Amino acid sequence: EAGVTQFPSHSVIEKGQTVTLRCDPISGHDNLYWYRRVMGKEIKFLLHFVKESKQDESGMPNNRFLAERTGGTYSTLKVQPAELEDSGVYFCASSRDRGGISPLHFGNGTRLTVT
Amino acid sequence: GENVEQHPSTLSVQEGDSAVIKCTYSDSASNYFPWYKQELGKGPQLIIDIRSNVGEKKDQRIAVTLNKTAKHFSLHITETQPEDSAVYFCAPYNYGQNFVFGPGTRLSVLP
Repeated sequence: EAGVTQFPSHSVIEKGQTVTLRCDPISGHDNLYWYRRVMGKEIKFLLHFVKESKQDESGMPNNRFLAERTGGTYSTLKVQPAELEDSGVYFCASSRDRGGISPLHFGNGTRLTVT
Repeated sequence: GENVEQHPSTLSVQEGDSAVIKCTYSDSASNYFPWYKQELGKGPQLIIDIRSNVGEKKDQRIAVTLNKTAKHFSLHITETQPEDSAVYFCAPYNYGQNFVFGPGTRLSVLP
């Protein structure tokens, strides 16, 4: 089966611009998660979709971040306007069942650099 | 919320030696304990996990041990190889919450 795929792999944008990250989960995985790792620190939870519904978005840092999962398939994470502190690696993960029941499968991440 | 620590933060071993990484957590309700390996340029990959009703699990050269009373679990890698060099994350999990990842341990296996 194809793994979790993320686009783009790298993105360099200027402060104030907008960037949209995309994640295609493994087919059949209802659960989709976004995480990010900033400055080589711990991987932090952003939000969790079950199909097209946001199950938990408690990790979203502020209203400049908007995640969608229309149709319950792929998801996008938009940052608008981007700030310097948004730089980091954004990971998407998917699982068939809720995490803890079935394993999380991660994509290779999108490295975002805001200059 | 869950507080997760890993020790050591960096670890260098000679090829063939063993490596042990410890993860301590604060939420006594955590019931699932995975370890992830992240290689350069890739996402974290699950390498081994254990549930709260089991004390130890082994898969070839890697093993995980759990001490629920003391709230820690450890990753053990034996006969280390250069391809084991990576960053390792623990992520203790309480069903109904979300995974909280530890800060990571960078393992370097020296040839």
